[in-house]
Formats: sequence, structure tokens, C-alpha cells
Amino acid sequence: DAKTTQPPSMDCAEGRAANLPCNHSTISGNEYVYWYRQIHSQGPQYIIHGLKNNETNEMASLIITEDRKSSTLILPHATLRDTAVYYCIVRAHTGTASKLTFGTGTRLQVTL
Amino acid sequence: GAVVSQHPSWVICKSGTSVKIECRSLDFQATTMFWYRQFPKQSLMLMATSNEGSKATYEQGVEKDKFLINHASLTLSTLTVTSAHPEDSSFYICSAVRGSSGNTIYFGEGSWLTVV
Repeated sequence: DAKTTQPPSMDCAEGRAANLPCNHSTISGNEYVYWYRQIHSQGPQYIIHGLKNNETNEMASLIITEDRKSSTLILPHATLRDTAVYYCIVRAHTGTASKLTFGTGTRLQVTL
Repeated sequence: GAVVSQHPSWVICKSGTSVKIECRSLDFQATTMFWYRQFPKQSLMLMATSNEGSKATYEQGVEKDKFLINHASLTLSTLTVTSAHPEDSSFYICSAVRGSSGNTIYFGEGSWLTVV
């Protein structure tokens, strides 16, 4: 019962920005938007999270629409090592909604 | 470096035996840990929520008597697959909640289980 919708796959040329969209139209007021990625045969890696303001860290930027029904993860300069499955997850910080429930994610392929 | 460590990284066991997987938070205390299972080319499936000092909460369809979870300390949770069968072969991943506000969850490297 994942609450997010992502395209199954995307391609991006190395050095270009990768923009990964996510729809979460049923997000609750206390739920954050989280992004993780999983490189083949490894545990998921935390990327970024946010509530309603845009966020940026050393890995990526997160743009959340004003109505919070969708968001975009931006990898500003994609490299081959960014090839992975990217998961967008909505999650509260307390209570039963604090679990991380994974959907099918977006498989990003970065090419030369 | 890794903040959540799993051991073993991979294990092969015979059908009918039990195998234990450990999950440790390395530099923080985690009152809550989660256990996932992932089959090839599929997403992660949450199996259970492990809370320190109390019984684990299992997701629907997960057999609690088969997948025993123990969270005896603030830095260690264990998953024991009892009477393993080949269909239990999978990638098992744990995660730990860091911070009193529960805002960041870190994942272990995963453990490959093959039952022969």
C-alpha cells in the first residue's frame, strides 16, 4: 500500500541533471517526503528528506510543490555511479505511519 | 562509513536448519529497527518492526514463529529464520531509526541467505 507513484525507469546522460518525479497526492500533513536509492545488491542509501520546504544537501536537491502532492529529486550532475533504483517514500516521524514502505521506485540508468 | 552493520553478509544453510542475522547500529542507539526482505528484481518488503525491550510487530502475512526477532539492546536486533526452506532464500535487510525525533533511518548492507 505504497502511497507514492514513480515512473518505472529513466535515462540520463552523464554530467547532466537527473530529475526524478514522484507523486504523493494523498500525503498527510505530518508526513515527510523521503528519498532513498539502492545500488544493486546493497542496502538502500539515504539521500534526502523534506516536509514542505525545498531541501539541498551534498547529494541532491528536493523540490516539493506548494500543495505537497508531488516532488522532484534532482541530481545536479549525474555520474555513472548514480545508476540505481530511486525510491520516493512518504513517512511520518512517529506512530504507525513512521514505517518506511517501499514502492517499486524508478530505475535510473546513467549513460556515457 | 556504515552506521548500521549486518552480519553475516551472506550465508548458506541446509533446509531445516535455523540461521541468525545480526543488525547493529554502530554509533547510535536505536530503539526501533526494521527488517525487510527483498527477492530478485523486486522492491523491499517490510517484514517487521523491532522495538527494544518489547515484542516485534509483524506485517500481515509474515509468520512470527518462523522469523524470530529479538531486540535485546539499543544497538542490536537479530532475525532468526527457523526451519529454513529454499523459498526463504532472499536478501534480508535491516534498518535503524536514528534520533529521538525518528527523522533518519539508516540501512545495513544486507544479508544474502541461500537455503539448499
